Amino acid sequence: GQQVQQSPASLVLQEGENAELQCNFSSTATRLQWFYQRPGGSLVSLLSNPSGTKHTGRLTSTTVTKERRGSLHISSSQITDSGTYLCAMERGGGSAKLIFGEGTKLTVSS
Amino acid sequence: GALVYQYPRRTICKSGTSMRMECQAVGFQATSVAWYRQSPQKTFELIALSTVNSAIKYEQNFTQEKFPISHPNLSFSSMTVLNAYLEDRGLYLCGASRDSYSGNTLYFGEGSRLIVV
Repeated sequence: GQQVQQSPASLVLQEGENAELQCNFSSTATRLQWFYQRPGGSLVSLLSNPSGTKHTGRLTSTTVTKERRGSLHISSSQITDSGTYLCAMERGGGSAKLIFGEGTKLTVSS
Repeated sequence: GALVYQYPRRTICKSGTSMRMECQAVGFQATSVAWYRQSPQKTFELIALSTVNSAIKYEQNFTQEKFPISHPNLSFSSMTVLNAYLEDRGLYLCGASRDSYSGNTLYFGEGSRLIVV
């Protein structure tokens, strides 16, 4: 079965609202990473943490490794935040070996 | 800063032909390079992980015979899709990291999109 599950599959928000993206993983992960996929397909690394909470700008990543879940919080969403957000877990063997979730497609409108 | 360049960005190839894509790390030494594929309407799948001084490890459903990879030095890797068919189309991403067993960030290239006709 799917080792990394993301929810919701899609999310529609008004500009200024907060977004909460969830990620659950089925096996032991050493670290969880969050990526933003640009419309052309390339990935932008957003946050990565093995456990606990990490912030950068309007983004907050929380990972609870023992409960095999993580979340990405986007505060005061902007139209330019629209796109696909991917969660990926490291299984060990280095940061290059990732298992990706299916993604959450975020649409922020004015 | 660390950058990863991939080329070509996009290729259209005839069914049954092969396509080679390259990945260049700039500003750091890529001790590990991972190749991923995102097929249409799907998420990224790991094809193989190449670590310098170790054998290249392919994931289930991907073989060296189909996706031969070369990682000759710490700044360059290439992968070929041999005998490409419709099921091989998608976005191929190269991800490079400095150290295979650290928590360092994985840097991705812009991707090589393969279209098979």
